[in-house]
Amino acid sequence: KAGVTQTPRYLIKTRGQQVTLSCSPISGHRSVSWYQQTPGQGLQFLFEYFSETQRNKGNFPGRFSGRQFSNSRSEMNVSTLELGDSALYLCASSVGSGGRTGELFFGEGSRLTVL
Amino acid sequence: DAKTTQPNSMESNEEEPVHLPCNHSTISGTDYIHWYRQLPSQGPEYVIHGLTSNVNNRMASLAIAEDRKSSTLILHRATLRDAAVYYCILRDGDTGNQFYFGTGTSLTVIP
Repeated sequence: KAGVTQTPRYLIKTRGQQVTLSCSPISGHRSVSWYQQTPGQGLQFLFEYFSETQRNKGNFPGRFSGRQFSNSRSEMNVSTLELGDSALYLCASSVGSGGRTGELFFGEGSRLTVL
Repeated sequence: DAKTTQPNSMESNEEEPVHLPCNHSTISGTDYIHWYRQLPSQGPEYVIHGLTSNVNNRMASLAIAEDRKSSTLILHRATLRDAAVYYCILRDGDTGNQFYFGTGTSLTVIP
């Protein structure tokens, strides 16, 4: 069974540009959540989508947005990029949403560098 | 979500058991205790989770204190591949997959 796939794996952008990252969850998983990982802040929750609806949102500015499609694939978008947005963006999928549903499966991440 | 406290780093000799502690004194009755680990250059990987009773799986064991204010992840025989950052996370059973990862414990395995 294929794992969580994130594309692109690496990308370089300049300040002010926007970026779209994609995540394909494991087949049958309906929840997709996104995390940002930086050396200074560690792993921080961005948002979670479940059945095309945003269920939770972390403490990030409105420049960070996401969506989920009917096939559970998800995209996140960052507009007006800042240097501080340079990070590893991780996507995780799960069968359901909530502590009872067991594990999250993480992708390998998309490493964004903003110059 | 309630927060957890873990030591920043620990060391273990290869082939020996490792006990990774986690304090979560503000845990609520609906919080599940999850452990994930992150190997270098990879996304986090699920290790184990539990609510009240001790849990075992092929990777590790989870020992939960009777008052649930602390827990211990037990790796029975550390291997070099177990060198990773281990995160203890509390996850509410009702509020979705929003995890607070904290800083975790960086485990070094000495050959």
